Amino acid sequence: RKEVEQDPGPFNVPEGATVAFNCTYSNSASQSFFWYRQDCRKEPKLLMSVYSSGNEDGRFTAQLNRASQYISLLIRDSKLSDSATYLCVVNTRTGGFKTIFGAGTRLFVKA
Amino acid sequence: SQTIHQWPATLVQPVGSPLSLECTVEGTSNPNLYWYRQAAGRGLQLLFYSVGIGQISSEVPQNLSASRPQDRQFILSSKKLLLSDSGFYLCAWSIQGTDTQYFGPGTRLTVL
Repeated sequence: RKEVEQDPGPFNVPEGATVAFNCTYSNSASQSFFWYRQDCRKEPKLLMSVYSSGNEDGRFTAQLNRASQYISLLIRDSKLSDSATYLCVVNTRTGGFKTIFGAGTRLFVKA
Repeated sequence: SQTIHQWPATLVQPVGSPLSLECTVEGTSNPNLYWYRQAAGRGLQLLFYSVGIGQISSEVPQNLSASRPQDRQFILSSKKLLLSDSGFYLCAWSIQGTDTQYFGPGTRLTVL
């Protein structure tokens, strides 16, 4: 089992749709979680941190479920500009620092 | 504000040649620094991270090495490149004691 697994994608959605990504992690001692977006041939850019209490930033909502060991990202009212690859990141400090990126989920938003 | 620089942006090198990629951070002190590689169509793999000058942790065995000669400078090197070293090399930084990482623009390396 991979330490961090994401929905394989790609997701093809029309403008205005709501889309949800999930990411599961295997280490229950993991402590911090993030979503990044990566455009083609560019560096990843931080989208948002993820907390158990939920984190909302405009059309984007991230959630952490520690009991089930997954994080989610919800995008409402999708825009063409949301087309990108979305990466989840899981960090662990117990027993030494470890940061693991998911393989990413590709999103295509179409007019 | 903080900025992170990487150079060169692209590089084409023959197999067996040496490599030196540089990353510098401005606007912060004592950052954590990271080197990642992203192979074509793959996820990011952490290669090295550093919490201070001369302090380097290696995540995977390979023919690459890293050095941190100054507080805000991180260098990735190889004595002899392999074909499998091709990829997108990304440097990142975070505030000491935190996990939020910010990435540089990356270097796209092709080994022929």
